[in-house]
Amino acid sequence: EAEVAQSPRYKITEKSQAVAFWCDPISGHATLYWYRQILGQGPELLVQFQDESVVDDSQLPKDRFSAERLKGVDSTLKIQPAELGDSAMYLCASSPTSPLNDGYTFGSGTRLTVV
Amino acid sequence: GDSVTQMEGPVTLSEEAFLTINCTYTATGYPSLFWYVQYPGEGLQLLLKATKADDKGSNKGFEATYRKETTSFHLEKGSVQVSDSAVYFCAPISNDYKLSFGAGTTVTVRA
Repeated sequence: EAEVAQSPRYKITEKSQAVAFWCDPISGHATLYWYRQILGQGPELLVQFQDESVVDDSQLPKDRFSAERLKGVDSTLKIQPAELGDSAMYLCASSPTSPLNDGYTFGSGTRLTVV
Repeated sequence: GDSVTQMEGPVTLSEEAFLTINCTYTATGYPSLFWYVQYPGEGLQLLLKATKADDKGSNKGFEATYRKETTSFHLEKGSVQVSDSAVYFCAPISNDYKLSFGAGTTVTVRA
């Protein structure tokens, strides 16, 4: 069964350092999403790509977060500088252009701890 | 966007007990509805879905029926197992393809 790949699974970084997460969506999925999930809460959408274009980044803290999907396939989410409050699970998901029938497929996530 | 109200947890049950997690939503249209499950330290997995009113989604012994008249999509399982311990998320999807999540309900099943 096709999966969304994410790396690393775990990351510990010191505050003020830069950190990056990588995601490889299911082949053929045009839409890619990055979510942040704080412990004990539901996922919150940070950014949505359609192919290589950003279609929604309204909840992305753009002073420190950036995301790219240069060739419309894999994607990188970066935080610089990291803050203590960024500690969370970062989830990547992908879907076909219309996800109404099958929803999104999520990766296993990257657990970030900022110390 | 859509708003989702999920039964607050945590919920603790004994094995073979009956589980119900209530979910209601507000929506401007009539979206598809999903339940996702998240096991400890993992991402979200699609548990079941319903794509139109009165549809019943089912998987792994779990069921949920899309009730248009009450805008609800309650999750049920007749006999839970320890392996069902997880966080469950109700998630409607809107016509502009945005998936909304409730706060999640943590379920713990004791042997």
